[in-house]
Amino acid sequence: GAVVSQHPSWVICKSGTSVKIECRSLDFQATTMFWYRQFPKQSLMLMATSNEGSKATYEQGVEKDKFLINHASLTLSTLTVTSAHPEDSSFYICSAKTSRTSGSGEQFFGPGTRLTVL
Amino acid sequence: DAKTTQPPSMDCAEGRAANLPCNHSTISGNEYVYWYRQIHSQGPQYIIHGLKNNETNEMASLIITEDRKSSTLILPHATLRDTAVYYCIVRVAGGSNYKLTFGKGTLLTVNP
Repeated sequence: GAVVSQHPSWVICKSGTSVKIECRSLDFQATTMFWYRQFPKQSLMLMATSNEGSKATYEQGVEKDKFLINHASLTLSTLTVTSAHPEDSSFYICSAKTSRTSGSGEQFFGPGTRLTVL
Repeated sequence: DAKTTQPPSMDCAEGRAANLPCNHSTISGNEYVYWYRQIHSQGPQYIIHGLKNNETNEMASLIITEDRKSSTLILPHATLRDTAVYYCIVRVAGGSNYKLTFGKGTLLTVNP
């Protein structure tokens, strides 16, 4: 149980285009999903917290107009990188919170999406 | 959330126990200790978590000191597939904020 998928697993796009990444919780409902970014040899950095049916909460320094997040259902959140540039090339990872364990609510992570902007 | 300190790297022989330490001297009474690991180019994988009692599951054991200022993740019989970066994270339980703040973790290399 507690499987999270991401699509696509990798994407290459031209500079200036937009890319959408999907994150799905396959066997549970996730009221909260998180989006992280990881540059080579660095740790995961939280970009935003996404709650179903409401606006995402962005971390300081993350441009909300560039990284559009939609959490339309309890099993799907999407991250759209708008007008992508080479510096946006990174490993994007989502996670989903399950409330099945009382008091702790551990998160489960997707496999990540490798974005390369040419 | 409290900050954690982990060694940057560790080595372990295949088949032996891997003991990964974590210091969290400023942990608060309502903060859990979580362990995740990340195999290269994959998303992090949840391993185990605990509040104050020792915990064990099919993957690992978590030993938390009585004063809760440090903990040790134990992989009882390490395999080559356990080579990964291991992250120790402390986080407030409950409430509406379930953010996980990742540090640099420990790169565990299991050698044949």
